[in-house]
Amino acid sequence: DVKVTQSSRYLVKRTGEKVFLECVQDMDHENMFWYRQDPGLGLRLIYFSYDVKMKEKGDIPEGYSVSREKKERFSLILESASTNQTSMYLCASSLRQGRVGELFFGEGSRLTVL
Amino acid sequence: DQQVKQNSPSLSVQEGRISILNCDYTNSMFDYFLWYKKYPAEGPTFLISISSIKDKNEDGRFTVFLNKSAKHLSLHIVPSQPGDSAVYFCAASAGNFNKFYFGSGTKLNVKP
Repeated sequence: DVKVTQSSRYLVKRTGEKVFLECVQDMDHENMFWYRQDPGLGLRLIYFSYDVKMKEKGDIPEGYSVSREKKERFSLILESASTNQTSMYLCASSLRQGRVGELFFGEGSRLTVL
Repeated sequence: DQQVKQNSPSLSVQEGRISILNCDYTNSMFDYFLWYKKYPAEGPTFLISISSIKDKNEDGRFTVFLNKSAKHLSLHIVPSQPGDSAVYFCAASAGNFNKFYFGSGTKLNVKP
């Protein structure tokens, strides 16, 4: 069974803290993604990676960075968390030659920044 | 501004009847469309897709219709079942299959 695991389901951080969100997939997928989900706005792409050490900006990369040192792991980093980064963060992966648009999502990490 | 819009935040349907979920888009370059389903406390899961060269795609109880001139797509679920109760997201892509634009979702409630 395919699995995308996000390290934390719930996090509470303070403004200015550095935050790491970790994601691991066990499906040997080439592509990995980070989205955030906000009410009324749907899912918005922050960054994606199509290979180890490769990354591309999505629609809302400001305030975020990513790291992909191993194929199975994709990390989202908030260098200095702000209250407007309070959100649900969803990691996903896909096969390069898989069904078009078929992403496999993790359960999400709900981040609250105080 | 959102390029993919789902104007109905929620929909309630009786079990056995048809559910119709709607999605509008503004970007005429979009050429591939998806529907995802999301249960509470789970990540979204892929449901069905359609390319712009088609106007209909069917998979069991689920059918997606695409009206390019109206920039509108819809998802029909027939017959609806209580297990279909979930949030449904539509998404669209303009040639880059790593970059999909998602709508805000419609919460479907199928009443027994």
